[in-house]
Amino acid sequence: DVKVTQSSRYLVKRTGEKVFLECVQDMDHENMFWYRQDPGLGLRLIYFSYDVKMKEKGDIPEGYSVSREKKERFSLILESASTNQTSMYLCASSPLGSPSTNYGYTFGSGTRLTVV
Amino acid sequence: AQTVTQSQPEMSVQEAETVTLSCTYDTSESDYYLFWYKQPPSRQMILVIRQEAYKQQNATENRFSVNFQKAAKSFSLKISDSQLGDAAMYFCACTSYGKLTFGQGTILTVHP
Repeated sequence: DVKVTQSSRYLVKRTGEKVFLECVQDMDHENMFWYRQDPGLGLRLIYFSYDVKMKEKGDIPEGYSVSREKKERFSLILESASTNQTSMYLCASSPLGSPSTNYGYTFGSGTRLTVV
Repeated sequence: AQTVTQSQPEMSVQEAETVTLSCTYDTSESDYYLFWYKQPPSRQMILVIRQEAYKQQNATENRFSVNFQKAAKSFSLKISDSQLGDAAMYFCACTSYGKLTFGQGTILTVHP
């Protein structure tokens, strides 16, 4: 019963392409997050959103943008893909007040993006 | 800025033995939570254990327990009676205003 779904497991794109990574959650969570995972660096926060049409920069937002038009969907956009954006991208969601109110965070199974 | 450091890129353990994964963190918040996540090859992040910073008692979940040293900002994970299914990448994480900050990860290998 996967509750955070990322549209693609593997993706190969060309340098300069505009890339959309989609994330959908069915738990009615307010908070959604995009992380990037690289060996030796762990997971780093790119962007997050606490509500529809709301977004906040994380630690490494350069080269990325996001869109949250509906509560259940949070899209990560690479405006002009570059080879240094080759990575694993993980989406997560959590309810309002997390983690103090519950165990919180639910992750998708990741999109491995290769930019050639 | 909040930081989480895992200084052991790789660890190995014999089946049925005990292994401890290290984690240190730095935060300016007084109320925070600490987590250990497991990421098997399927990539699905699985919550192993969590600790509320205001609780002095160390959290335990079956074979998994933590050693939380608040003054030292240390949060290690002990896995007892290791099983082959414990082999995975393990991440330590700390919250900050609802956001998770992760460490670099430790790859755990379990030898039969």
